[in-house]
Amino acid sequence: DTAVSQTPKYLVTQMGNDKSIKCEQNLGHDTMYWYKQDSKKFLKIMFSYNNKELIINETVPNRFSPKSPDKAHLNLHINSLELGDSAVYFCASSHQGEETQYFGPGTRLLVL
Amino acid sequence: GESVGLHLPTLSVQEGDNSIINCAYSNSASDYFIWYKQESGKGPQFIIDIRSNMDKRQGQRVTVLLNKTVKHLSLQIAATQPGDSAVYFCAENRGFQKLVFGTGTRLLVSP
Repeated sequence: DTAVSQTPKYLVTQMGNDKSIKCEQNLGHDTMYWYKQDSKKFLKIMFSYNNKELIINETVPNRFSPKSPDKAHLNLHINSLELGDSAVYFCASSHQGEETQYFGPGTRLLVL
Repeated sequence: GESVGLHLPTLSVQEGDNSIINCAYSNSASDYFIWYKQESGKGPQFIIDIRSNMDKRQGQRVTVLLNKTVKHLSLQIAATQPGDSAVYFCAENRGFQKLVFGTGTRLLVSP
């Protein structure tokens, strides 16, 4: 059973398109996160949600909009994709108040 | 600015050797640190963590050492195996469950 799952695993798209990445966790956690990992493996937090409420919103372009329909899901919608958005996007989850975060397998986004 | 970083980008060891991966941090207020292992094509996987009121914590074949005086963190892996080959990240909790990751060290284990 996959604890944190993401779809799709690979996403290749043209510049200017709009795309979404989905994340689901079956761990019963109430906090979920989105991270971006660039080509140099640097991993940086983008957003976090707790019980569907936005907690952390790093300096991320407005083209990125997270949506949490329930506490088991956190989706990431990206408008007007740019070349620099190419990266691996990881979803993670944790229990509120606990520091250990569990990561999904990642979505590899390539913008052409 | 404040950052979490690593001294060595790549560490090559022989199978059976002990490995030491180092990490420097600059935020003296950080009270929680965590090590993750990331294998190729996968997401980061929790290895071990430590709070600032401790200076050492041991797991199965892994030990984390924390030196708050010099703001240094290390991960020791005993009897390194080929399956330990991966990129290792240290991270610190900056509050509100915000993890700030270091740049990563690639560990290569030769049989």
